[in-house]
Amino acid sequence: ILNVEQSPQSLHVQEGDSTNFTCSFPSSNFYALHWYRWETAKSPEALFVMTLNGDEKKKGRISATLNTKEGYSYLYIKGSQPEDSATYLCAFSNTGNQFYFGTGTSLTVIP
Amino acid sequence: NAGVMQNPRHLVRRRGQEARLRCSPMKGHSHVYWYRQLPEEGLKFMVYLQKENIIDESGMPKERFSAEFPKEGPSILRIQQVVRGDSAAYFCASSPGRQWPQHFGDGTRLSIL
Repeated sequence: ILNVEQSPQSLHVQEGDSTNFTCSFPSSNFYALHWYRWETAKSPEALFVMTLNGDEKKKGRISATLNTKEGYSYLYIKGSQPEDSATYLCAFSNTGNQFYFGTGTSLTVIP
Repeated sequence: NAGVMQNPRHLVRRRGQEARLRCSPMKGHSHVYWYRQLPEEGLKFMVYLQKENIIDESGMPKERFSAEFPKEGPSILRIQQVVRGDSAAYFCASSPGRQWPQHFGDGTRLSIL
């Protein structure tokens, strides 16, 4: 079983603050790295899929970067809003067709 | 375009019974993934299927669990002779291909009495 680690485990920020979290994954046999947003009582919602080293993706105030050589991805949220409160999951996919999810970073944005 | 549909939303079984969980992928999606979330834990990969084929089942327990995705109809996750430890939320996701984002269903909450 491979380890996908996310940090921090939880985060409280004030509305308007920018924040970022980390996903660490094995650097060998890399295929893709996914980011999902999971609100309570809903199902995970896809944010990004990244496949190339150095990839940067952006969706509104949320962006992500990928470093496959050292095995990490950062997710950034600019100007956090209360509706950004959710758990943010990353998932590592290897060349062996498996998917490994981290346990998530729980973000609470305080109005 | 309907999203990924899972049913039932909640399923209660007694120990030793069989549980059948259904997943209808989004239209146009031929890749289906099943995940399990045990209480207080994250999502764990179980199995990855394409129409009529199991691509990877390395995350699925070797005994009592099976999955299929027939040419017609939904994908089925089947758990035979359920035990208390099978109580969990089971999520299904689908995508058009492996490099695409996965779209998740709302999950089936399985409770074993």
